[in-house]
Amino acid sequence: SAVISQKPSRDICQRGTSLTIQCQVDSQVTMMFWYRQQPGQSLTLIATANQGSEATYESGFVIDKFPISRPNLTFSTLTVSNMSPEDSSIYLCSVEGQSTRAEAFFGQGTRLTVV
Amino acid sequence: GQNIDQPTEMTATEGAIVQINCTYQTSGFNGLFWYQQHAGEAPTFLSYNVLDGLEEKGRFSSFLSRSKGYSYLLLKELQMKDSASYLCAGAAGNKLTFGGGTRVLVKP
Repeated sequence: SAVISQKPSRDICQRGTSLTIQCQVDSQVTMMFWYRQQPGQSLTLIATANQGSEATYESGFVIDKFPISRPNLTFSTLTVSNMSPEDSSIYLCSVEGQSTRAEAFFGQGTRLTVV
Repeated sequence: GQNIDQPTEMTATEGAIVQINCTYQTSGFNGLFWYQQHAGEAPTFLSYNVLDGLEEKGRFSSFLSRSKGYSYLLLKELQMKDSASYLCAGAAGNKLTFGGGTRVLVKP
Protein backbone atom coordinates (compact mmCIF):
# COMPACT_ATOMS: atom_id res chain seq x y z
CA SER A 1 0.00 0.00 0.00
CA ALA A 2 0.97 3.64 -0.34
CA VAL A 3 0.72 6.33 2.31
CA ILE A 4 -0.41 9.65 0.90
CA SER A 5 -0.19 12.92 2.78
CA GLN A 6 -2.32 15.70 1.44
CA LYS A 7 -2.47 19.26 2.70
CA PRO A 8 -4.16 21.44 3.59
CA SER A 9 -6.93 19.24 4.91
CA ARG A 10 -9.38 22.10 4.62
CA ASP A 11 -9.45 25.78 3.77
CA ILE A 12 -11.86 28.64 3.39
CA CYS A 13 -10.87 31.02 0.60
CA GLN A 14 -12.08 34.27 -0.86
CA ARG A 15 -13.40 34.24 -4.40
CA GLY A 16 -10.87 35.32 -6.97
CA THR A 17 -7.91 33.89 -5.06
CA SER A 18 -5.97 30.67 -5.72
CA LEU A 19 -5.16 27.70 -3.52
CA THR A 20 -2.39 25.16 -4.03
CA ILE A 21 -2.93 21.66 -2.68
CA GLN A 22 0.05 19.41 -2.03
CA CYS A 23 0.23 15.64 -2.25
CA GLN A 24 3.20 13.65 -0.93
CA VAL A 25 3.56 9.88 -1.39
CA ASP A 26 5.84 7.67 0.69
CA SER A 27 7.09 5.77 -2.38
CA GLN A 28 7.90 6.53 -5.98
CA VAL A 29 4.92 6.25 -8.30
CA THR A 30 4.65 6.78 -12.01
CA MET A 31 1.20 8.30 -12.15
CA MET A 32 -0.69 10.51 -9.76
CA PHE A 33 -4.32 11.48 -10.19
CA TRP A 34 -6.34 14.45 -9.02
CA TYR A 35 -10.09 14.10 -8.38
CA ARG A 36 -12.85 16.46 -7.40
CA GLN A 37 -15.80 15.41 -5.27
CA GLN A 38 -18.56 17.99 -5.17
CA PRO A 39 -20.99 17.94 -2.23
CA GLY A 40 -23.08 14.78 -2.27
CA GLN A 41 -21.50 13.61 -5.51
CA SER A 42 -19.04 10.94 -6.53
CA LEU A 43 -15.49 11.46 -7.69
CA THR A 44 -14.63 13.06 -11.01
CA LEU A 45 -11.14 12.81 -12.44
CA ILE A 46 -9.58 16.20 -13.11
CA ALA A 47 -6.23 15.18 -14.55
CA THR A 48 -3.41 12.66 -14.56
CA ALA A 49 0.00 13.94 -13.52
CA ASN A 50 3.13 12.30 -14.89
CA GLN A 51 6.63 13.25 -13.83
CA GLY A 52 8.52 15.14 -16.50
CA SER A 53 5.57 15.94 -18.74
CA GLU A 54 2.46 18.07 -18.77
CA ALA A 55 -0.59 16.76 -17.00
CA THR A 56 -3.37 15.19 -19.05
CA TYR A 57 -6.71 16.86 -18.37
CA GLU A 58 -10.15 15.31 -18.62
CA SER A 59 -12.99 16.86 -20.54
CA GLY A 60 -14.28 19.95 -18.77
CA PHE A 61 -11.03 20.73 -16.97
CA VAL A 62 -8.31 23.04 -18.27
CA ILE A 63 -4.75 23.83 -17.28
CA ASP A 64 -5.39 27.54 -16.74
CA LYS A 65 -7.96 26.76 -14.07
CA PHE A 66 -6.23 23.74 -12.51
CA PRO A 67 -2.48 23.95 -13.09
CA ILE A 68 -0.62 20.87 -11.88
CA SER A 69 3.02 20.33 -11.05
CA ARG A 70 4.82 17.01 -10.80
CA PRO A 71 8.46 17.78 -10.01
CA ASN A 72 9.41 14.25 -8.93
CA LEU A 73 8.03 10.74 -8.45
CA THR A 74 6.73 11.33 -4.92
CA PHE A 75 5.11 14.76 -5.07
CA SER A 76 2.47 16.73 -6.94
CA THR A 77 0.50 19.93 -6.52
CA LEU A 78 -2.89 21.02 -7.82
CA THR A 79 -3.77 24.71 -7.90
CA VAL A 80 -7.37 25.88 -8.02
CA SER A 81 -7.12 29.27 -9.68
CA ASN A 82 -9.37 32.32 -9.60
CA MET A 83 -11.79 30.52 -7.34
CA SER A 84 -15.55 30.93 -7.30
CA PRO A 85 -18.12 29.38 -4.95
CA GLU A 86 -18.71 26.66 -7.58
CA ASP A 87 -15.20 25.40 -6.84
CA SER A 88 -16.24 24.49 -3.30
CA SER A 89 -15.53 20.80 -3.21
CA ILE A 90 -13.29 18.09 -1.87
CA TYR A 91 -10.12 17.59 -3.88
CA LEU A 92 -8.33 14.25 -3.62
CA CYS A 93 -5.06 12.99 -4.93
CA SER A 94 -4.63 9.34 -5.74
CA VAL A 95 -1.92 6.94 -6.80
CA GLU A 96 -2.24 3.55 -8.36
CA GLY A 97 -1.29 0.57 -6.28
CA GLN A 98 1.87 -1.35 -6.91
CA SER A 99 0.26 -4.76 -6.74
CA THR A 100 -0.99 -6.59 -9.79
CA ARG A 101 -4.50 -5.58 -8.83
CA ALA A 102 -3.57 -1.94 -9.22
CA GLU A 103 -6.00 -0.59 -6.67
CA ALA A 104 -5.91 3.14 -6.17
CA PHE A 105 -5.00 4.77 -2.87
CA PHE A 106 -6.35 8.14 -1.91
CA GLY A 107 -5.13 11.00 0.18
CA GLN A 108 -7.42 12.26 2.92
CA GLY A 109 -8.68 15.04 0.70
CA THR A 110 -8.77 18.83 0.89
CA ARG A 111 -12.15 20.30 1.75
CA LEU A 112 -12.31 23.69 0.02
CA THR A 113 -14.96 26.29 0.71
CA VAL A 114 -15.00 29.43 -1.43
CA VAL A 115 -16.87 32.41 -0.01
CA GLY B 1 -16.39 5.74 -22.85
CA GLN B 2 -17.70 4.61 -19.50
CA ASN B 3 -21.16 5.14 -18.06
CA ILE B 4 -21.61 3.64 -14.61
CA ASP B 5 -24.93 3.42 -12.77
CA GLN B 6 -25.73 2.40 -9.22
CA PRO B 7 -28.64 3.10 -6.88
CA THR B 8 -28.48 6.32 -4.91
CA GLU B 9 -29.43 4.99 -1.51
CA MET B 10 -30.27 1.76 0.31
CA THR B 11 -31.39 1.02 3.85
CA ALA B 12 -30.88 -2.25 5.68
CA THR B 13 -31.06 -3.67 9.18
CA GLU B 14 -28.08 -4.59 11.33
CA GLY B 15 -27.19 -8.26 10.81
CA ALA B 16 -28.88 -8.44 7.42
CA ILE B 17 -27.46 -8.69 3.90
CA VAL B 18 -27.45 -5.93 1.30
CA GLN B 19 -26.56 -6.19 -2.39
CA ILE B 20 -25.49 -3.08 -4.27
CA ASN B 21 -25.76 -3.39 -8.03
CA CYS B 22 -23.64 -1.58 -10.57
CA THR B 23 -24.17 -1.57 -14.32
CA TYR B 24 -21.80 -0.09 -16.83
CA GLN B 25 -21.21 0.59 -20.48
CA THR B 26 -17.61 0.79 -21.31
CA SER B 27 -14.92 0.50 -23.90
CA GLY B 28 -11.35 -0.34 -23.06
CA PHE B 29 -12.52 -1.67 -19.72
CA ASN B 30 -10.00 -3.73 -17.75
CA GLY B 31 -11.48 -4.08 -14.28
CA LEU B 32 -14.18 -3.08 -11.82
CA PHE B 33 -13.47 -1.66 -8.38
CA TRP B 34 -15.54 -1.15 -5.27
CA TYR B 35 -14.62 1.49 -2.70
CA GLN B 36 -16.10 2.40 0.67
CA GLN B 37 -16.26 6.03 1.71
CA HIS B 38 -17.36 7.20 5.14
CA ALA B 39 -18.63 10.74 5.40
CA GLY B 40 -15.78 13.23 5.42
CA GLU B 41 -13.15 10.61 4.66
CA ALA B 42 -11.26 9.40 1.60
CA PRO B 43 -12.42 6.31 -0.28
CA THR B 44 -10.84 3.04 0.77
CA PHE B 45 -10.37 0.04 -1.49
CA LEU B 46 -12.68 -2.92 -0.99
CA SER B 47 -12.37 -5.16 -4.03
CA TYR B 48 -11.27 -5.49 -7.61
CA ASN B 49 -12.70 -7.86 -10.22
CA VAL B 50 -11.05 -8.37 -13.56
CA LEU B 51 -12.47 -11.81 -14.38
CA ASP B 52 -16.07 -13.01 -14.28
CA GLY B 53 -17.24 -14.52 -11.04
CA LEU B 54 -17.40 -13.94 -7.34
CA GLU B 55 -14.58 -12.74 -5.13
CA GLU B 56 -15.11 -13.17 -1.41
CA LYS B 57 -13.26 -11.24 1.26
CA GLY B 58 -14.68 -11.72 4.73
CA ARG B 59 -18.10 -10.14 5.03
CA PHE B 60 -17.78 -8.47 1.64
CA SER B 61 -18.06 -10.16 -1.75
CA SER B 62 -17.99 -8.73 -5.23
CA PHE B 63 -19.29 -10.24 -8.45
CA LEU B 64 -18.60 -9.37 -12.06
CA SER B 65 -20.20 -10.36 -15.36
CA ARG B 66 -18.36 -8.69 -18.20
CA SER B 67 -20.76 -9.92 -20.88
CA LYS B 68 -23.67 -8.31 -19.03
CA GLY B 69 -21.83 -5.18 -17.93
CA TYR B 70 -22.87 -5.91 -14.38
CA SER B 71 -21.32 -6.09 -10.96
CA TYR B 72 -22.57 -6.24 -7.42
CA LEU B 73 -21.13 -5.78 -3.95
CA LEU B 74 -22.60 -8.01 -1.27
CA LEU B 75 -22.35 -6.97 2.36
CA LYS B 76 -23.18 -9.70 4.87
CA GLU B 77 -23.84 -9.56 8.62
CA LEU B 78 -24.25 -5.81 8.43
CA GLN B 79 -22.80 -3.73 11.22
CA MET B 80 -23.58 -0.15 12.11
CA LYS B 81 -20.08 0.86 11.01
CA ASP B 82 -20.95 -0.29 7.47
CA SER B 83 -23.10 2.83 7.06
CA ALA B 84 -21.19 4.60 4.30
CA SER B 85 -21.20 5.32 0.60
CA TYR B 86 -20.09 2.53 -1.71
CA LEU B 87 -18.54 3.55 -4.99
CA CYS B 88 -18.39 1.39 -8.09
CA ALA B 89 -15.56 2.36 -10.43
CA GLY B 90 -14.60 1.10 -13.85
CA ALA B 91 -10.96 0.96 -14.86
CA ALA B 92 -9.78 1.73 -18.35
CA GLY B 93 -6.01 1.73 -18.51
CA ASN B 94 -4.83 3.61 -15.44
CA LYS B 95 -7.92 5.77 -15.10
CA LEU B 96 -10.93 5.16 -12.89
CA THR B 97 -14.42 6.35 -13.69
CA PHE B 98 -16.70 6.37 -10.69
CA GLY B 99 -20.41 5.79 -10.43
CA GLY B 100 -22.46 8.18 -8.37
CA GLY B 101 -22.09 6.08 -5.24
CA THR B 102 -24.69 4.24 -3.15
CA ARG B 103 -25.32 5.54 0.34
CA VAL B 104 -26.07 2.61 2.65
CA LEU B 105 -27.77 3.30 5.94
CA VAL B 106 -27.69 0.49 8.50
CA LYS B 107 -30.42 0.69 11.12
CA PRO B 108 -30.46 -1.16 14.45
